[in-house]
Amino acid sequence: QKEVEQDPGPLSVPEGAIVSLNCTYSNSAFQYFMWYRQYSRKGPELLMYTYSSGNKEDGRFTAQVDKSSKYISLFIRDSQPSDSATYLCAMRGMNTGNQFYFGTGTSLTVIP
Amino acid sequence: GAVVSQHPSWVICKSGTSVKIECRSLDFQATTMFWYRQFPKQSLMLMATSNEGSKATYEQGVEKDKFLINHASLTLSTLTVTSAHPEDSSFYICSAGPGTETYEQYFGPGTRLTVT
Repeated sequence: QKEVEQDPGPLSVPEGAIVSLNCTYSNSAFQYFMWYRQYSRKGPELLMYTYSSGNKEDGRFTAQVDKSSKYISLFIRDSQPSDSATYLCAMRGMNTGNQFYFGTGTSLTVIP
Repeated sequence: GAVVSQHPSWVICKSGTSVKIECRSLDFQATTMFWYRQFPKQSLMLMATSNEGSKATYEQGVEKDKFLINHASLTLSTLTVTSAHPEDSSFYICSAGPGTETYEQYFGPGTRLTVT
């Protein structure tokens, strides 16, 4: 079983739609949860991070962590064509060293 | 914001030659940098952790004699792919963080290596 599972998609939505991206994980020691956006042939860009459980909102983006279900989500409201990218979840724990555990990424296309 | 650069962004080399990739933190110092490898439509695979002033820590299955890492200063780490082969063709990405916050990993733009 992989440490982090993420549906690779591809996901295609019309402009203005609400997008829901999700990851599940198996290691209950994970404490830090991140979402990265990666455009084609570019390095990942940190979008949001959450420590432990709860919600965090930043503009059109909302990150949710449910540690009891080992499930994290990223919601994008009013999606724009510029949001078209691959979204990677990542996580690590206090006792997992420096290693980040990444999902495989979900490819998102927002259609104008 | 914290910026990490990589050079070159794209390199083509012949089989058997060596290629050096540089990773620089432009506006912060990083005692630790990370090197990842990414295949098309796959996630990032951590190759090694680069520690300033000491030997790198390699992940299981990564050949340390093939992927040489040097972290000579607090702003520069280099990855040298020695005796490159076509199967080494990949997208190599480094990351670094400016402080002790564990989520603060900023990624470089990546280097696309093609070995012919």
